Amino acid sequence: EVQLLEAGGGFVQPGGSLRLSCAASGFTYTNFAMGWVRQAPRKGLEWISAISGNGVNTHYADSVRGRFTISRDNSKNTVSLQMHSLRGDDTALYYCARTLIRQLSPTSYYFYMDVWGKGTTVTVSS
Amino acid sequence: QSVLTQPPSVSATPGQKVTISCSGGSSNIGNNFVSWYQQLPGTAPKLLIYDNNKRPSGIPDRFSGSKSGTSATLAITGLQTEDEADYYCGTWDTSLSVLFGGGTKLTVL
Repeated sequence: EVQLLEAGGGFVQPGGSLRLSCAASGFTYTNFAMGWVRQAPRKGLEWISAISGNGVNTHYADSVRGRFTISRDNSKNTVSLQMHSLRGDDTALYYCARTLIRQLSPTSYYFYMDVWGKGTTVTVSS
Repeated sequence: QSVLTQPPSVSATPGQKVTISCSGGSSNIGNNFVSWYQQLPGTAPKLLIYDNNKRPSGIPDRFSGSKSGTSATLAITGLQTEDEADYYCGTWDTSLSVLFGGGTKLTVL
């Protein structure tokens, strides 16, 4: 069974840091990109970041670029999201998602997320 | 405000057909594929449709997707009470980001 299990969420003060992780199982991990999507309380989905199967290519939303770093360990089937300079609007449920990336042109891609974890909650507050 | 515009809510009775629209522009839907996600209350999103109109294994054919120009539509036929959920469209934008619509809450009356 394909499974994604997030961990690392918690309570952090503004300006602080947190590292999320996601353990994958049930599929050939290196064949897939992985990503993170978050959902603020009572709000919609917001894509944050993705990383290619070999870990070479990364993508970020403008809202987190420069503050968050995505990485993966293909020997452990894990993907991580290191978050720095956290703000109140980073408060959300963070989902790990298996991501399919298709490059349509040098600057155009198509992403979709076919497997999702249950999420881990990050609360940023003083 | 989302770049991809969805109606905040739709409703229908069991057995009926309902459609949910997702309106974008030439920088996103107009030149890319669209996916749709279902989020049942208190659960993680689930992929319903990808590549505009393809269903992953296990998704009933009651769910279908289409795209025309800069808009996409999710249609659900033979509506069931368990279809009550939030539905999101998604695509890529030339701003170099994945976009989701604001979400549509489907109520099955």
